[in-house]
Amino acid sequence: EAAVTQSPRNKVTVTGGNVTLSCRQTNSHNYMYWYRQDTGHGLRLIHYSYGAGNLQIGDVPDGYKATRTTQEDFFLLLELASPSQTSLYFCASSDAQCPNERLFFGHGTKLSVL
Amino acid sequence: GDSVTQKEGLVTLTEGLPVMLNCTYQTIYSNAFLFWYVHYLNESPRLLLKSSTDNKRTEHQGFHATLHKSSSSFHLQKSSAQLSDSALYYCALSDHYNQGKLIFGQGTKLSIKP
Repeated sequence: EAAVTQSPRNKVTVTGGNVTLSCRQTNSHNYMYWYRQDTGHGLRLIHYSYGAGNLQIGDVPDGYKATRTTQEDFFLLLELASPSQTSLYFCASSDAQCPNERLFFGHGTKLSVL
Repeated sequence: GDSVTQKEGLVTLTEGLPVMLNCTYQTIYSNAFLFWYVHYLNESPRLLLKSSTDNKRTEHQGFHATLHKSSSSFHLQKSSAQLSDSALYYCALSDHYNQGKLIFGQGTKLSIKP
């Protein structure tokens, strides 16, 4: 079973704070994604990547940066956190050979911006 | 552009009754891939069902869905709800332009009462 690990599991910061969410997958998947989950909006794609050094803009990228340092590691950066970014964040990965197969999700990071 | 609509934000049912969660989609492409993901509380979202074949029923873990391209629908059904089915359910469409990117619906929270 594919493994996607997110850290931290919970994070509290203040408005204007600097936050980095980490994601590591050990499945040799090329594709990695960052989603946020909000009631009434479902899962919305923030940024995604096809491989190390690659970055694609998702559907709700404002206020977020991302960096894919290796095939395994994908980071989401909030440089000036705002209360509207309070959410549950999920990282996911998928196999580039079969992109329509399935996404493997991490357990999520709950972020609160006070 | 492509889109997915889940009309119901919350569905509350009594245990033992049939489940039907609605999903409709919009795409101009004939080769649509549709998915149902399930997110149980405190777990990772995971794939429940997928299909790309018109009018073919697909089943997993007691749930089933049939892709109907004529009506652009992929409703999720189960004959008898169980308390353990309480979860958040997402319908998703594979983005034709961006391989590996899924377009998620808003999600339907299914709550099963004894």
